[in-house]
Amino acid sequence: QKEVEQNSGPLSVPEGAIASLNCTYSDRGSQSFFWYRQYSGKSPELIMFIYSNGDKEDGRFTAQLNKASQYVSLLIRDSQPSDSATYLCAVIPVSGKLTFGQGTILTVHP
Amino acid sequence: GAVVSQHPSRVICKSGTSVKIECRSLDFQATTMFWYRQFPKQSLMLMATSNEGSKATYEQGVEKDKFLINHASLTLSTLTVTSAHPEDSSFYICSARDFAGEQYFGPGTRLTVT
Repeated sequence: QKEVEQNSGPLSVPEGAIASLNCTYSDRGSQSFFWYRQYSGKSPELIMFIYSNGDKEDGRFTAQLNKASQYVSLLIRDSQPSDSATYLCAVIPVSGKLTFGQGTILTVHP
Repeated sequence: GAVVSQHPSRVICKSGTSVKIECRSLDFQATTMFWYRQFPKQSLMLMATSNEGSKATYEQGVEKDKFLINHASLTLSTLTVTSAHPEDSSFYICSARDFAGEQYFGPGTRLTVT
């Protein structure tokens, strides 16, 4: 079982729609959860982090964490073509090492 | 925000040669630096963790004699790929963690071994 799992996609949504990205993790002791965006050929950039159960909103982005079910999600409202990228879920498990999922490719079409 | 730089951004080398990649934290001191490798359409895989002044800790399956890591100061870590082969061609990304525990990524180095 992979430590962090994501659906590789691609996920395609129309401009203006809500994009929903999901991630599950295996280490129940994980405490820190991150979403990164990575454009092709570029390094990941941090979008959001969440530590507590529930929702965390930042602009058009909302991260949701459910530790009981061991999943974390990212919602992107009013999706724009510039949001097209690979979204990486990352978790810091008990080992303390930031561990990435394989990423979900998101395409927002006009 | 905190900035991490890498040099070079791209490098092409011949098989059998060695390549050194530098990672610098420009406006903060990094307690720990991390080196990742990313193959096309795959996620980042942690190669090793290094702390200033001590030996790096390598992940399982990563050859420490092939990927030499030196963490000479709180702002500089280097990764040397020795005797590079085409299968070492990849995107190498460093990351630096500050004293508050925040982790920042460098822009990456694209290595192509011919």
